[in-house]
Amino acid sequence: GENVEQHPSTLSVQEGDSAVIKCTYSDSASNYFPWYKQELGKRPQLIIDIRSNVGEKKDQRIAVTLNKTAKHFSLHITETQPEDSAVYFCAASIRSNTGKLIFGQGTTLQVKP
Amino acid sequence: NAGVTQTPKFRILKIGQSMTLQCAQDMNHNYMYWYRQDPGMGLKLIYYSVGAGITDKGEVPNGYNVSRSTTEDFPLRLELAAPSQTSVYFCASSTSQGNSGANVLTFGAGSRLTVL
Repeated sequence: GENVEQHPSTLSVQEGDSAVIKCTYSDSASNYFPWYKQELGKRPQLIIDIRSNVGEKKDQRIAVTLNKTAKHFSLHITETQPEDSAVYFCAASIRSNTGKLIFGQGTTLQVKP
Repeated sequence: NAGVTQTPKFRILKIGQSMTLQCAQDMNHNYMYWYRQDPGMGLKLIYYSVGAGITDKGEVPNGYNVSRSTTEDFPLRLELAAPSQTSVYFCASSTSQGNSGANVLTFGAGSRLTVL
């Protein structure tokens, strides 16, 4: 079945620096790649997503890039702020009508003031 | 509009006991999911449902059962609790986006289960 690998597991940056989190997926049929942010003690929430017919998508300080040939996608956060500190999950969805998402292991991002 | 509601928020079970985690959504979503979250392991899909009367196994279904008798409710049943089932459980729902695959999950607040 589908497998999603996420790296790094932890990431510590200084406020204002950029952060990059990378994911690889195994099933070439996957066509939808969302990123979820989970603050401490809270539920995961969608922050950005990309479909397989798009190579890059931006939303203010966050962006996601997709390389279908290599089967990997990345989350980029620029000008990091302390409120960006959270656990970030990537996910992949197989082209089907089930809608199920397979998640990566998560990355704990710490932004130091 | 409450979104996705999970009960209970916390529960301690003894080995071998059984219990049901409740999940209800009021958004008329046809898709519903149960995930478990363990430290460093991400979110693992236990079971999912694409509509009332239809359920299917996810990545880690052993030790669990589900049912979907209505669009709104998707309870998760643990029959013989084991320490390995100590985890945080999240229920989620979404609406069909057709074959495009886009699928935004709305999560519940989570249920923390400890099995001793």
